[in-house]
Amino acid sequence: DAGVTQSPTHLIKTRGQHVTLRCSPISGHKSVSWYQQVLGQGPQFIFQYYEKEERGRGNFPDRFSARQFPNYSSELNVNALLLGDSALYLCASSSLVVAASYEQYFGPGTRLTVT
Amino acid sequence: EDQVTQSPEALRLQEGESSSLNCSYTVSGLRGLFWYRQDPGKGPEFLFTLYSAGEEKEKERLKATLTKKESFLHITAPKPEDSATYLCAVMTTDSWGKLQFGAGTQVVVTP
Repeated sequence: DAGVTQSPTHLIKTRGQHVTLRCSPISGHKSVSWYQQVLGQGPQFIFQYYEKEERGRGNFPDRFSARQFPNYSSELNVNALLLGDSALYLCASSSLVVAASYEQYFGPGTRLTVT
Repeated sequence: EDQVTQSPEALRLQEGESSSLNCSYTVSGLRGLFWYRQDPGKGPEFLFTLYSAGEEKEKERLKATLTKKESFLHITAPKPEDSATYLCAVMTTDSWGKLQFGAGTQVVVTP
């Protein structure tokens, strides 16, 4: 079975631009969470979507937004990019169907560099 | 405020030299504690979930344990391929989609 996939792998953008990152969860998983990981730190939670609805939001500005589609894939959008948005963006999927099945499985990430 | 602290920040081991990594946490209510392994430039790889104090999980040379305040990841007779950053994360009872991570422990195993 394919794992979580993310695209693109790498991205270079200029300050002030907009970026869209994409994620496809593991087949059968209905929950997608997004994280930002800055070098040397653990991932920081941005959003969680379950059944196409936002179920959680981390401490990120309104420039960050996301959505989930009927096929459970997801997009993360970041507007008005700042240098500090340079990071590895991770998508994780989880089943949440089986009781106490809260494991999250991560994709390879998208490396965003803002210049 | 919920907190997750990992120690040490970095660990250098000789092949075969067993050691333990620590993850201490302060949360209002624990739904689960998760261990991940991360190689440079890649996404975290799921290792274990622990749900209640006293629980233990094993996988090859790795064993994770949980108390009410901390978790340990024991690495027995490590090999160079065990070199990675090990991340600990908690999920609280008021959230079932958010993992709160520690900063990680970078482990280097030399032959």
